[in-house]
Amino acid sequence: IAGITQAPTSQILAAGRRMTLRCTQDMRHNAMYWYRQDLGLGLRLIHYSNTAGTTGKGEVPDGYSVSRANTDDFPLTLASAVPSQTSVYFCASSDSSSGTDTQYFGPGTRLTVL
Amino acid sequence: GQNIDQPTEMTATEGAIVQINCTYQTSGFNGLFWYQQHAGEAPTFLSYNVLDGLEEKGRFSSFLSRSKGYSYLLLKELQMKDSASYLCAVRDGDYKLSFGAGTTVTVRA
Repeated sequence: IAGITQAPTSQILAAGRRMTLRCTQDMRHNAMYWYRQDLGLGLRLIHYSNTAGTTGKGEVPDGYSVSRANTDDFPLTLASAVPSQTSVYFCASSDSSSGTDTQYFGPGTRLTVL
Repeated sequence: GQNIDQPTEMTATEGAIVQINCTYQTSGFNGLFWYQQHAGEAPTFLSYNVLDGLEEKGRFSSFLSRSKGYSYLLLKELQMKDSASYLCAVRDGDYKLSFGAGTTVTVRA
C-alpha cells in the first residue's frame, strides 16, 4: 500500500507555462486537499475536495485549478505559472467518516518557476 | 482569518524534555492536531486533541485548553531523530485545517 503519491518530485518551470501536479491515494479516502508550504508561512490550503465530483476553494486558490473525477486522483493545475508560485506543494487526504478525520500527506512536489 | 502562533525555534539537549506551545484564535473549533515534519519530508501525524486535557502517546504528549485557546506538545527523553519541525494545526468551524508556521526543534548531543 503506497498511501499517497505525488508526481513529479520536483520541477523547474518557465513562467507562463502550464503545469499539472499529480496526486493519487489508494486509501479510499473521500476528502483530498492541496497545500503549499513557504518558509515562515506554514502550510496554506489551495483547494480541497470533500468527495469525488466536488471541489472547493481554500485560502490561496488564485492561479490554481483542481478536478476530482474519481476517488483516487486529485490533480492540481497551474494554468500560467508565475514566480510567486515557487513553493513546495503537498497533497493530503482524509476519511471524514473516521473519528478524527486526520489528514495524511504525500511526499510533496518542489516547484520552481523562473 | 485564523491566527495560530507557535515559537519559531527551540533547542534542547538529548535526553531532556521540550514543551512547544501553540495559541490559536479561530472561527469555531473542531480539534487540534500536531504534526512532525523532518527537513525535505512530508508532515506526519503525531496527535489529536478535541477535548480539554492531556493525551499521551509514548514519549509525546499533547495538552489542550479550549477556553484559553492553548495547546502544547511535550517531547520527553529527546533523541537526535526528534530534530524536526513541529506543526500545530487547528480545525475550524468549517472543518478546514489552519496551520501555524511551525517550530523547529534542534536536539544537541
